[in-house]
Amino acid sequence: SYELTQPPSVSVSPGQTASITCSGDKLGEKYSCWYQQKPGQSPVLVIYQDTKRPSGISERFSGSNSGNTATLTISETQTMDEADYYCQAWDSSTAVFGLGTKLTVL
Amino acid sequence: QVQLVQSGTEVKKPGASVKVSCKASGYTFTNYAMFWVRQAPGQSLEWMGWINTANGNTKYSRNFQGRVTITRDTSATTSYMEVSSLTSEDTAVYYCARNLGGSTLIGFDIWGQGTMVTVSS
Repeated sequence: SYELTQPPSVSVSPGQTASITCSGDKLGEKYSCWYQQKPGQSPVLVIYQDTKRPSGISERFSGSNSGNTATLTISETQTMDEADYYCQAWDSSTAVFGLGTKLTVL
Repeated sequence: QVQLVQSGTEVKKPGASVKVSCKASGYTFTNYAMFWVRQAPGQSLEWMGWINTANGNTKYSRNFQGRVTITRDTSATTSYMEVSSLTSEDTAVYYCARNLGGSTLIGFDIWGQGTMVTVSS
């Protein structure tokens, strides 16, 4: 089965840029999504089709996907961005999630 | 506004079944596929299956094949997800989520609030 690999944790200072990676075999040939989840809340879609932002999502969130790696970039990181982030891709009409990355802003 | 409202917390014994509902409002129910995802305590998201709300066709994760049934009632704009033969490993929050792209698989833009299912003897 298809697998997506994310780093367990990423730390960033407020105001700096955070990058979270997601790796999978030929991931660049598939569309990727990213979700933000804060404790006790449902996930929120922040990036879809590699680079698109849903309505209401800050322009500070951006995405890319090439080769075997998709990347979520958060610019001018704020304390409110502290959360778990999950990548997701499609494989034969099934949704595959990464194990998630805990973003710490300190 | 567009929202998905799920049924409440469930506590079940091992071997039992549980059925969770997800009522959609604020959009045309049959225009968007509905997915079900679960999250065990402290764990990642796990896709369970989805239903084409227009024609009722379903697809399930191999991890749940035979134990999960997803249905919908178009008149009630509600999707249902039933899991049978529960074990303690099924203890999780269960989410319904709308596919942004209708029947084109894109991503999940609207999520329910989650339903906690606890399996304990």
